[in-house]
Amino acid sequence: NAGVMQNPRHLVRRRGQEARLRCSPMKGHSHVYWYRQLPEEGLKFMVYLQKENIIDESGMPKERFSAEFPKEGPSILRIQQVVRGDSAAYFCASSPQNAKTFEQYFGPGTRLTVT
Amino acid sequence: AQSVAQPEDQVNVAEGNPLTVKCTYSVSGNPYLFWYVQYPNRGLQFLLKYITGDNLVKGSYGFEAEFNKSQTSFHLKKPSALVSDSALYFCAVSEASGGSYIPTFGRGTSLIVHP
Repeated sequence: NAGVMQNPRHLVRRRGQEARLRCSPMKGHSHVYWYRQLPEEGLKFMVYLQKENIIDESGMPKERFSAEFPKEGPSILRIQQVVRGDSAAYFCASSPQNAKTFEQYFGPGTRLTVT
Repeated sequence: AQSVAQPEDQVNVAEGNPLTVKCTYSVSGNPYLFWYVQYPNRGLQFLLKYITGDNLVKGSYGFEAEFNKSQTSFHLKKPSALVSDSALYFCAVSEASGGSYIPTFGRGTSLIVHP
């Protein structure tokens, strides 16, 4: 059973470009979460999705960031017009039920560098 | 609101000695508590969780944690540390009644086990 897959593992973008990060949850998992990790800041929740629905996006910046989890295919975190401050590791996690009581399974992360 | 604190940024221990990584939490009602470990350039891996039942929870790789309601703590322990235990450890809490579906993560504690 493959784990959570994320691609690309490393992404370099120039300021103003768009970044698309992909996440395929574990088989049978319908709950997907995106986090951002910066050194010295720990793990920050961004968005929680189920198939075709955004359940909680309270941690996501209002501008330039969007996320989706379509009926078919991976979840996508999209960052438009990237700025240097967007440089971070972005992790996706999945769980079979909501993460209040169920452990999350994390992917290896996408390390975004904005030059 | 739910919150979690990991008071130590770094813990140093000699191989073979017992280790403790501290975690305290704050929730309005009863907590659900989790520990995760992150190795360099990897995603987080689930270690153990407390939902209900015995206060002493046993998890992966010989780790255990004790839920202490009076002290609002959930410290991670291992009787004999290994060099391979060196990693970043995260505590997380969610609130049993109401609150967010998303656990709140601590800032992480770097565990360094010296040979």
